[in-house]
Amino acid sequence: LAKTTQPISMDSYEGQEVNITCSHNNIATNDYITWYQQFPSQGPRFIIQGYKTKVTNEVASLFIPADRKSSTLSLPRVSLSDTAVYYCLVGDERINDMRFGAGTRLTVKP
Amino acid sequence: NAGVTQTPKFQVLKTGQSMTLQCAQDMNHEYMSWYRQDPGMGLRLIHYSVGAGITDQGEVPNGYNVSRSTTEDFPLRLLSAAPSQTSVYFCASTNQGQGLNTEAFFGQGTRLTVV
Repeated sequence: LAKTTQPISMDSYEGQEVNITCSHNNIATNDYITWYQQFPSQGPRFIIQGYKTKVTNEVASLFIPADRKSSTLSLPRVSLSDTAVYYCLVGDERINDMRFGAGTRLTVKP
Repeated sequence: NAGVTQTPKFQVLKTGQSMTLQCAQDMNHEYMSWYRQDPGMGLRLIHYSVGAGITDQGEVPNGYNVSRSTTEDFPLRLLSAAPSQTSVYFCASTNQGQGLNTEAFFGQGTRLTVV
């Protein structure tokens, strides 16, 4: 299983763009990169998933360089409600490949 | 369409008691799983199932049993509760096999305290 490394915490202010980088040096050819968001007292929620290059949806963008050894989740113009823990997962689509690390605790300040 | 439903939301057990955490999904997903989350930590996989009648162990299976008699339900049984099992438990179901659209849907969690 590819191990991921991401910052433990980040602070930002409302209206700023936030970029959270995840390192995954041992990513395998069949692995996808998936990000989840978790609010206190709730289960994680899927944000975005990609394999290579850039993926964008209504919530975030995911940038993946050609070597795929890292990825960056970009949250445009964050608000207080984006305060949460963000998890980077790397693995194929098998359920037992979903290993959550400690995640990145993002705090958005007014 | 309720997604993934977990019951109960809160539970207090005495050491040595047994209980079953319920999980049901209405999305017809084959894959379901149970995680536990301890304070300040990520989720750890307890057991998972790739379809009715098939279950397997995750990272931390000791002290827990599961069964999967139907596609919809995936209960988690604590055999003899211990204080170390105090945690928040999450059930998830996954639309596995969708490639880049593979997504796990999580329940709201069960907060279990063992005293």
